[in-house]
Amino acid sequence: DAKTTQPPSMDCAEGRAANLPCNHSTISGNEYVYWYRQIHSQGPQYIIHGLKNNETNEMASLIITEDRKSSTLILPHATLRDTAVYYCIVRGHSGAGSYQLTFGKGTKLSVIP
Amino acid sequence: EAQVTQNPRYLITVTGKKLTVTCSQNMNHEYMSWYRQDPGLGLRQIYYSMNVEVTDKGDVPEGYKVSRKEKRNFPLILESPSPNQTSLYFCASSTTIGSGEQFFGPGTRLTVL
Repeated sequence: DAKTTQPPSMDCAEGRAANLPCNHSTISGNEYVYWYRQIHSQGPQYIIHGLKNNETNEMASLIITEDRKSSTLILPHATLRDTAVYYCIVRGHSGAGSYQLTFGKGTKLSVIP
Repeated sequence: EAQVTQNPRYLITVTGKKLTVTCSQNMNHEYMSWYRQDPGLGLRQIYYSMNVEVTDKGDVPEGYKVSRKEKRNFPLILESPSPNQTSLYFCASSTTIGSGEQFFGPGTRLTVL
């Protein structure tokens, strides 16, 4: 799987949009970008994923650059409950090994009242 | 409610005393996996299973065993636990069809004295 680079930490004011960047310059054509988050030692939680197009669901939006070398996770109105470590992961969709999630250090997002 | 359950949630044991951590999912998922999480090292995959009776090693399998006799259950066995297996353990499951969003259990915090 391609490696990812994320800032170690970010702050965001409550109610504002949180924009979390991720670089994945070695991503290959059949690899997807996934985002998970982990709230204080709980099990990681899936947020969103995408291949090329921007994606949106009830939790967040994912913006992927045209060259696919980077992406941004957007939490449109951050709340205190969004304080967590956010992981950007790239993985393929075929082969037994593709289901393994390689977690890096992620970005610790602190939402401030 | 769709979920992955783990038992026990907390366990303190002594070196060499065999133990089993259970994992069960109610989503009829084919894929199941075990991770351990340690400070500074992130989440690392121990073993995974693509389906019943099909298991394979992840990145850190030494000292662990698994079995997959039924689709819903994927127990993690420590035959002779050692202090370096003190960690936070997560079980995860996903379908092998489509996006393969992984669902994680709540975690088992194991201390080996």
